[in-house]
Amino acid sequence: KQEVTQIPAALSVPEGENLVLNCSFTDSAIYNLQWFRQDPGKGLTSLLLIQSSQREQTSGRLNASLDKSSGRSTLYIAASQPGDSATYLCAGIYNNNDMRFGAGTRLTVKP
Amino acid sequence: GAGVSQSPRYKVAKRGQDVALRCDPISGHVSLFWYQQALGQGPEFLTYFQNEAQLDKSGLPSDRFFAERPEGSVSTLKIQRTQQEDSAVYLCASSSAGLTQPQHFGDGTRLSIL
Repeated sequence: KQEVTQIPAALSVPEGENLVLNCSFTDSAIYNLQWFRQDPGKGLTSLLLIQSSQREQTSGRLNASLDKSSGRSTLYIAASQPGDSATYLCAGIYNNNDMRFGAGTRLTVKP
Repeated sequence: GAGVSQSPRYKVAKRGQDVALRCDPISGHVSLFWYQQALGQGPEFLTYFQNEAQLDKSGLPSDRFFAERPEGSVSTLKIQRTQQEDSAVYLCASSSAGLTQPQHFGDGTRLSIL
C-alpha cells in the first residue's frame, strides 16, 4: 500500500516567518500530488495540484514542489500570517480515483 | 448551490441504529467521492462514482456500508447496524473529471455512535 507521510505533525511559528511543510510518499509511480488546507470543522480546500510532469506550482505566497525520484513534496509558505493557521494535508494521486492522504501538519501562526 | 453540500452536519446515533448521510455535489460534476476521516488523520477513501455508476467501492470497511447515486447527482452513504468504530467525519467531494481535476469538498458529516 502506498503511504504518505507528513512531517512535522504540528508546527508553531511567529507571524512573518517563512516555513516549509514536508510530505513523503513510498511509491514514485505517482500521477499527481495535491496540497489541501483544512480548517477546524470544515472540509478540504485545494491549494495546489502538481501533475507528475511538473516540478512545482505557485499560487500567491504558496509554492509546492514535487520530486518523484526522491518521493518528496514540499509546501513553502512565505511571510506567514495568522490566517494561515490550519491543517495542511498532502495527497498522492495514483490513478483516476486512488488518492491517499497524509495525516497532515497542524500549523499555528502566532501574531 | 455553489459548493458541495452535506447533511446532516452532525449525527448522533445509538449503536445498532442505521444512518444515512447525504451529499449534494456541485451541479454538473460527474465524479463523486466519499471519504472517512478519523480524528487527527487524513481522509481515507471509501467509494467513487462516475455519474450513477459506482466504479470503486474497495474502501468500504464492511458490508454494513452502502453508497448509491441513482440519478448521477445526489449521493447517499448508508451505514447499517452502526458500531462505535464508525464514529468519524464523513467527507464527500466532487470533481468534473475524476482526480485529473481538483476535487471540491463538502464540510462533512460528523457521526458519533454512542
